[in-house]
Amino acid sequence: ELKVEQNPLFLSMQEGKNYTIYCNYSTTSDRLYWYRQDPGKSLESLFVLLSNGAVKQEGRLMASLDTKARLSTLHITAAVHDLSATYFCAVDGTGTASKLTFGTGTRLQVTL
Amino acid sequence: EAGVVQSPRYKIIEKKQPVAFWCNPISGHNTLYWYLQNLGQGPELLIRYENEEAVDDSQLPKDRFSAERLKGVDSTLKIQPAELGDSAVYLCASSLEQGATTGELFFGEGSRLTVL
Repeated sequence: ELKVEQNPLFLSMQEGKNYTIYCNYSTTSDRLYWYRQDPGKSLESLFVLLSNGAVKQEGRLMASLDTKARLSTLHITAAVHDLSATYFCAVDGTGTASKLTFGTGTRLQVTL
Repeated sequence: EAGVVQSPRYKIIEKKQPVAFWCNPISGHNTLYWYLQNLGQGPELLIRYENEEAVDDSQLPKDRFSAERLKGVDSTLKIQPAELGDSAVYLCASSLEQGATTGELFFGEGSRLTVL
């Protein structure tokens, strides 16, 4: 059974600081997704990582994937308050009926 | 272009009552998903459709939950009877894909169920 773990579960950081959220998963996969969720809202797709070594950047967020280590990171550069949200990674399980398994989420709070 | 549309957004019912949620996916998306999200947790897949066919319903509690996607477009998720533990957000998502590997999912805003 595929397990996806994120850490930290909660992160409070000041504006302007850098930090990294980690996503570990337990079985082979070469597709990983990052989503953002604001309170009471739905999930918004941030990044789709499709191969080992993939790196994608959008604004102050950068995501990478290491399939050999079964690890993805979401790096936040010079955080701003608008980035406050919960971030989920989701891994595509292999098999004939693949599905996404989500991590428990990292709640990010950026303080002014 | 309209995104994934769900209704109702909020529903409060008493236990043992039935409830139904409706989802209209993004036009042209052949794959539709129902996810359950408990407070403070990530979404968990309940059922996945490719067109009209339920290709993965292994996590759907079939004693009380049912779903249908009759014409391969919109879908309904039903709970009968509801239990206190069913209080959660029910998310619908859709994607455009072929075969076994999932692509990018687009989520609706969810239906928040409270069972009293």
